[in-house]
Amino acid sequence: ETGVTQSPTHLIKTRGQQVTLRCSSQSGHNTVSWYQQALGQGPQFIFQYYREEENGRGNFPPRFSGLQFPNYSSELNVNALELDDSALYLCASSAGQGRNSPLHFGNGTRLTVT
Amino acid sequence: GQQVMQIPQYQHVQEGEDFTTYCNSSTTLSNIQWYKQRPGGHPVFLIQLVKSGEVKKQKRLTFQFGEAKKNSSLHITATQTTDVGTYFCAGWGGSQGNLIFGKGTKLSVKP
Repeated sequence: ETGVTQSPTHLIKTRGQQVTLRCSSQSGHNTVSWYQQALGQGPQFIFQYYREEENGRGNFPPRFSGLQFPNYSSELNVNALELDDSALYLCASSAGQGRNSPLHFGNGTRLTVT
Repeated sequence: GQQVMQIPQYQHVQEGEDFTTYCNSSTTLSNIQWYKQRPGGHPVFLIQLVKSGEVKKQKRLTFQFGEAKKNSSLHITATQTTDVGTYFCAGWGGSQGNLIFGKGTKLSVKP
């Protein structure tokens, strides 16, 4: 069973640039959620994708967008990067979109915006 | 909006001592999940509690869900250095129907 994989592991960008983060979900999982984790904080929900459609969104501006592909992999795009976007971005897959589905996290992408 | 709060923020214990972290929600939860994040790692699912008053055990870890389904606790008996990490509770709720995480309790264990 293949776990959740994310790429890249680390990324350094300049303010105003755009970034794309990638995630492959665990085999058998059709739902992908993205979380932002600032240093010393808990994960904050960005959005969730189910069957290639956004299925819930947290309090993040529209410059945070995403995609899910037919193979259930996903991308997180962030435009016009700001210094406060520096964080660990976690992708989590689950076997369903429902509340009884535990999240399986990837190792995350550490984004630094300078 | 819905909030999930955890206390304490930090806990330093001597190896062999017990440890407890508490989780409180501003609203009733349908379930609560617990995750552990090792330093430099990612959150790993530990357990889910669904029923009011439910108690579950995993070896030295005991998880409880309050009768009103608004609070939960994780208790570790006789901590070991392998218990080091941040423990998060997460409740299902929010206007978006998503999992809301607390800020976590960071546990350090002195050998």
